[in-house]
Amino acid sequence: AQTVTQSQPEMSVQEAETVTLSCTYDTSESDYYLFWYKQPPSRQMILVIRQEAYKQQNATENRFSVNFQKAAKSFSLKISDSQLGDAAMYFCAYCLRWAGSYQLTFGKGTKLSVIP
Amino acid sequence: DGGITQSPKYLFRKEGQNVTLSCEQNLNHDAMYWYRQDPGQGLRLIYYSQIVNDFQKGDIAEGYSVSREKKESFPLTVTSAQKNPTAFYLCASSIGGDNAYEQYFGPGTRLTVT
Repeated sequence: AQTVTQSQPEMSVQEAETVTLSCTYDTSESDYYLFWYKQPPSRQMILVIRQEAYKQQNATENRFSVNFQKAAKSFSLKISDSQLGDAAMYFCAYCLRWAGSYQLTFGKGTKLSVIP
Repeated sequence: DGGITQSPKYLFRKEGQNVTLSCEQNLNHDAMYWYRQDPGQGLRLIYYSQIVNDFQKGDIAEGYSVSREKKESFPLTVTSAQKNPTAFYLCASSIGGDNAYEQYFGPGTRLTVT
């Protein structure tokens, strides 16, 4: 079974600074997707960024970028120029790329606080 | 506006009662999912459905049941057999096919059973 581990239950960052959230996963598969989801206090899950395992290039979405290390099974999220609105729970998720189903496996989350 | 609606936002029930959580989407998505979230935990998959009239158990299906009679609707029933039903429940949907990996979430329902 696939597992996703987020080793930092809580982190904090000064506004305008950069922070990196860690995620490791365990799988024997080679073709999969990885995601970072944001859950603000409203509890609405919002997709932040997606990475396809077959792509070597790291995904980037505005201030959010990932460092995908396939051999190390590591998938960290970097938030640049942190803003107060970035304060939220962040979940790393894994999805096997298989036509039969697309079940997401989530880590336990990292609570990010942004200090003004 | 297209999206996923879950109602109600907060739900209270007495122990021993079945309760049904609503999930509706107008995104014309084929696939729908139900997740459970407990404090300090990530989301765990309860059930999912890829097409109408078909659904599959997820990792924690015991004590839950679902139906998928319409493409737009995927209600979840929490039965009295579920030992710890108090939790936050999230519904999601995805297009299906090769893009099924990108799931869109509803606002969730907080269920409290006493």
